[in-house]
Amino acid sequence: DVKVTQSSRYLVKRTGEKVFLECVQDMDHENMFWYRQDPGLGLRLIYFSYDVKMKEKGDIPEGYSVSREKKERFSLILESASTNQTSMYLCATSNAGLRETQYFGPGTRLLVL
Amino acid sequence: AQKVTQAQTEISVVEKEDVTLDCVYETRDTTYYLFWYKQPPSGELVFLIRRNSFDEQNEISGRYSWNFQKSTSSFNFTITASQVVDSAVYFCARSGGGADGLTFGKGTHLIIQP
Repeated sequence: DVKVTQSSRYLVKRTGEKVFLECVQDMDHENMFWYRQDPGLGLRLIYFSYDVKMKEKGDIPEGYSVSREKKERFSLILESASTNQTSMYLCATSNAGLRETQYFGPGTRLLVL
Repeated sequence: AQKVTQAQTEISVVEKEDVTLDCVYETRDTTYYLFWYKQPPSGELVFLIRRNSFDEQNEISGRYSWNFQKSTSSFNFTITASQVVDSAVYFCARSGGGADGLTFGKGTHLIIQP
């Protein structure tokens, strides 16, 4: 079974703080993804990575950055959190090839005050 | 962007009824994949099915069945004899030839009442 874990289920931060969301997978998958989920908007892709030290922008990268120093770990960074970044953040992984099934972590619900 | 449309925002049925969730997608690709995911109240997206664009055979898995029709660009999901545990938000998604991961519909919130 694919196991994707995220560092926190719930997180409360203040405007302007630097926020790190961590995602770890144990299946040796090449691809890792960060999405945010908002009511009425579904899931939107923020960033993804095909390999270590490699990253690609998704549909809504503004205000975010990512880091992939090891294959199993993909971090999402909010350089200066803002209230409009309050959302549910979901990490996903898949084997090589973008058409492969993506497996999701439990999500982190972030509240920025 | 090539959209995925789930026109039903919310559906409420009584337990044991059959229910169909609609999904319509746009594509300019010859090769693409379609997916359904379930998101129960706990929040984690659970993979249900993946179909490729060359395989239009309908699929059945227990009480779940999927109807893929390229002619209408639809990939509908039917739950037969619904149960309360089926209550969740269901997402349809597609991947295509571009380097852009999955494109999701906005989801259908399914409520099964006892």
